[in-house]
Amino acid sequence: NAGVMQNPRHLVRRRGQEARLRCSPMKGHSHVYWYRQLPEEGLKFMVYLQKENIIDESGMPKERFSAEFPKEGPSILRIQQVVRGDSAAYFCASSPNTGAGEQYFGPGTRLTVT
Amino acid sequence: EDQVTQSPEALRLQEGESSSLNCSYTVSGLRGLFWYRQDPGKGPEFLFTLYSAGEEKEKERLKATLTKKESFLHITAPKPEDSATYLCAVFYSGGGADGLTFGKGTHLIIQP
Repeated sequence: NAGVMQNPRHLVRRRGQEARLRCSPMKGHSHVYWYRQLPEEGLKFMVYLQKENIIDESGMPKERFSAEFPKEGPSILRIQQVVRGDSAAYFCASSPNTGAGEQYFGPGTRLTVT
Repeated sequence: EDQVTQSPEALRLQEGESSSLNCSYTVSGLRGLFWYRQDPGKGPEFLFTLYSAGEEKEKERLKATLTKKESFLHITAPKPEDSATYLCAVFYSGGGADGLTFGKGTHLIIQP
């Protein structure tokens, strides 16, 4: 029973390029969450999605960031025109239920902007 | 003001030396409190969910408890492999977000 999968595990982008981070939830899970972990900071919620719907994007920066979870395929977190401050670990979590159910995390994508 | 505060920030113990980690929260409408373990370079690993004051859960050398203001993660006779960062998170109603709100973690080192 595979866990949450994320790829790539490491991503290096130059300032101004685009970053695409992918997340495949656990089998049977239809709820996906994205979090960002900055150095010396705690995990911060970014966005919550269900298939084909963004439910809550209150933690997502208003510009350059977008997320989707299509009917088929993985969830994608997209960062346009990356800046050095975007360098962080990005984690995806999935859950079989909404609300206060357990969320299971993937291994993360470490984005470095040079 | 942080909504979830974990203490201490770091803790160094000898193997077999029991201790407790604290997670205090200021949110209202708590619907769940979660404990995770995170090893360097990896994603958080789920440990426990607590839903109401007075609830306790155990797993091997770990025991989590919950009151109306805080949670404790008790570690009994720890081993070096228990070394990790332990994260506490809450899910609450009325906060405006559907995700978990995390503390900054306690970095635990168990020396052999």
